[in-house]
Amino acid sequence: RKEVEQDPGPFNVPEGATVAFNCTYSNSASQSFFWYRQDCRKEPKLLMSVYSSGNEDGRFTAQLNRASQYISLLIRDSKLSDSATYLCVVRMANQAGTALIFGKGTTLSVSS
Amino acid sequence: NAGVTQTPKFRVLKTGQSMTLLCAQDMNHEYMYWYRQDPGMGLRLIHYSVGEGTTAKGEVPDGYNVSRLKKQNFLLGLESAAPSQTSVYFCASSLGAGEQFFGPGTRLTVL
Repeated sequence: RKEVEQDPGPFNVPEGATVAFNCTYSNSASQSFFWYRQDCRKEPKLLMSVYSSGNEDGRFTAQLNRASQYISLLIRDSKLSDSATYLCVVRMANQAGTALIFGKGTTLSVSS
Repeated sequence: NAGVTQTPKFRVLKTGQSMTLLCAQDMNHEYMYWYRQDPGMGLRLIHYSVGEGTTAKGEVPDGYNVSRLKKQNFLLGLESAAPSQTSVYFCASSLGAGEQFFGPGTRLTVL
C-alpha cells in the first residue's frame, strides 16, 4: 500500500462550485500534514497546514481524521485561478530528518 | 530575497555523461532537499541535508551524490547519467520541520 494516496482526478468543476479532495496515509505515526499546490510546470507551494481540530483559510478548509488516517481539503466558491494540482503531504515521525512524503496529486480544472 | 534558485533550468545529457545541479537558498535555512518528480509518481526524495557538511539518503538515492559544503548551497551530482534519470528535479529548503520552500526545478533529459 502506498504511503499517501489521493484520487488523481481530474476534477472538472464550474466557477463557484464546491469541491472536496480526499487523501489517506498508511503510517499511523505520521506527525504533520499539509496541502501543497502545484501549478503546471511550476514548483510546489504550501497551501495550508492541516491541524487536528481542522482549520480554515478563506475559501479553503482542511480536516484531519487521525483514527481513519484521512485528510481532506474543501474548496468553496471555486475560481479559475484555483486550477492546479493539489498535493497531500505527510511528515513521518519515524524518518530521520524532516523529509516529506508526497501524494501523487489531484488535478483540479475550474471552467467559466 | 531570491528564495531558492536552481541552475540550470534545462539540460540534455547523453547516457554516461556527468553533471552537477546547483541549488542555492538565501533564507539561512538549515535543511535542504533534492526531489525528483516523474509523471504518475509524485515527488520522491533523493538526498537531504540537515546542516552544512552533512548529507543523508532519501527514498531514491542510487545514481546520485550530493554535497553541502556551504550552508546556502546543496549540489546534486550525476556521475554517469542514465535514461531512467530523465526527470524534473526540485530542490527545497526549510528552517526546521515546517514548510519547505521549493526552487523552480531543473528539467533533465538523458538520451
